[in-house]
Amino acid sequence: KNQVEQSPQSLIILEGKNCTLQCNYTVSPFSNLRWYKQDTGRGPVSLTIMTFSENTKSNGRYTATLDADTKQSSLHITASQLSDSASYICVVNSNYQLIWGAGTKLIIKP
Amino acid sequence: EAGVAQSPRYKIIEKRQSVAFWCNPISGHATLYWYQQILGQGPKLLIQFQNNGVVDDSQLPKDRFSAERLKGVDSTLKIQPAKLEDSAVYLCASSLIGPDTQYFGPGTRLTVL
Repeated sequence: KNQVEQSPQSLIILEGKNCTLQCNYTVSPFSNLRWYKQDTGRGPVSLTIMTFSENTKSNGRYTATLDADTKQSSLHITASQLSDSASYICVVNSNYQLIWGAGTKLIIKP
Repeated sequence: EAGVAQSPRYKIIEKRQSVAFWCNPISGHATLYWYQQILGQGPKLLIQFQNNGVVDDSQLPKDRFSAERLKGVDSTLKIQPAKLEDSAVYLCASSLIGPDTQYFGPGTRLTVL
């Protein structure tokens, strides 16, 4: 069964610190993997998209990695800011079917 | 460029009542999606339209949910009758081509009492 699992479920860190969110998937075939940021009360917004051949992609303070062999991805946030408080959702595209993870809820404390 | 518009933003109803949500996609986007997002979970696709035709409605509970996209632009999603487990955020998204480049609206938060 195609599945996307994210960890941790929730995370609290202090402003200015770094953090890494994990995404493990059992999806076949694999087309690409996308990370979304979802602020409270808003729809998801795409942060990065990675294809099979890409293993790192950055978007400002956000850096996503992909290991297609182990079927793992991570999202690293550098020098966190209060505005980074949100849910981060990993989505795997399998032949145009999107398999969504449950997300990691990140809280940044001042 | 205007984003995806949804209304209402919030709705509270009692079980067995009916409710309808409206979505206006980004101009020129042929594909429109309705998702249900239960608290603490990722979005679940309910229905996907390409212009005014249905592409995928395999996860739409058709005994109570219906959706239409007349003229291939705006769309409405209806629940009749509502159940307690329908409490969720209903997200509308649109894309120009394919499911990857989706742009989401702010969602409608439905509470069924």
